[in-house]
Amino acid sequence: GAVVSQHPSWVICKSGTSVKIECRSLDFQATTMFWYRQFPKQSLMLMATSNEGSKATYEQGVEKDKFLINHASLTLSTLTVTSAHPEDSSFYICSARVAGEGDTQYFGPGTRLTVL
Amino acid sequence: GNSVTQMEGPVTLSEEAFLTINCTYTATGYPSLFWYVQYPGEGLQLLLKATKADDKGSNKGFEATYRKETTSFHLEKGSVQVSDSAVYFCALAEYGNKLVFGAGTILRVKS
Repeated sequence: GAVVSQHPSWVICKSGTSVKIECRSLDFQATTMFWYRQFPKQSLMLMATSNEGSKATYEQGVEKDKFLINHASLTLSTLTVTSAHPEDSSFYICSARVAGEGDTQYFGPGTRLTVL
Repeated sequence: GNSVTQMEGPVTLSEEAFLTINCTYTATGYPSLFWYVQYPGEGLQLLLKATKADDKGSNKGFEATYRKETTSFHLEKGSVQVSDSAVYFCALAEYGNKLVFGAGTILRVKS
């Protein structure tokens, strides 16, 4: 099956710093990737849809200047949390769609961000 | 809009018991339906899917049938194991659109 990786798997940073999370499709090309946020014991909240070579589409209520998304290649999308604050602490998960598999999304293992 | 409703958990079963997790959906068209599983501290893994009415998705002993008449996609397994303990998410998507998830159902299997 399609494999999606994320790096780092966990990160701790100080308030006010920026953190970059990478999402890679390892064995396929992903024209579309998605970024989700998950709070403890809750479902996933879609933050944005990332299309290769174009600007990301953000969901309502998600600050695009705070959560910068770049999808510069067919195998890599990055999420940068700028000027992070403790309320940004969360589990961030990316996913990707595979050409020929319709709406199926394959998910990365997630990144645990803790902002002190 | 589209939505997914799952039975609330946690569901607690003994090993080798039969599992059913109910999932119903609301959609304007003919969505694809999915079950994902999330183990503690991990991302989601695709468990099974069905893309049209009466399709049955199956994997690792789990199965679910796309029932258009009842707008349901219930997850079943004949004999659960401790290793099946996880959170299970039902989801739908219509072509080109984002996944819509249910709230998730925690499954706990006791030995």
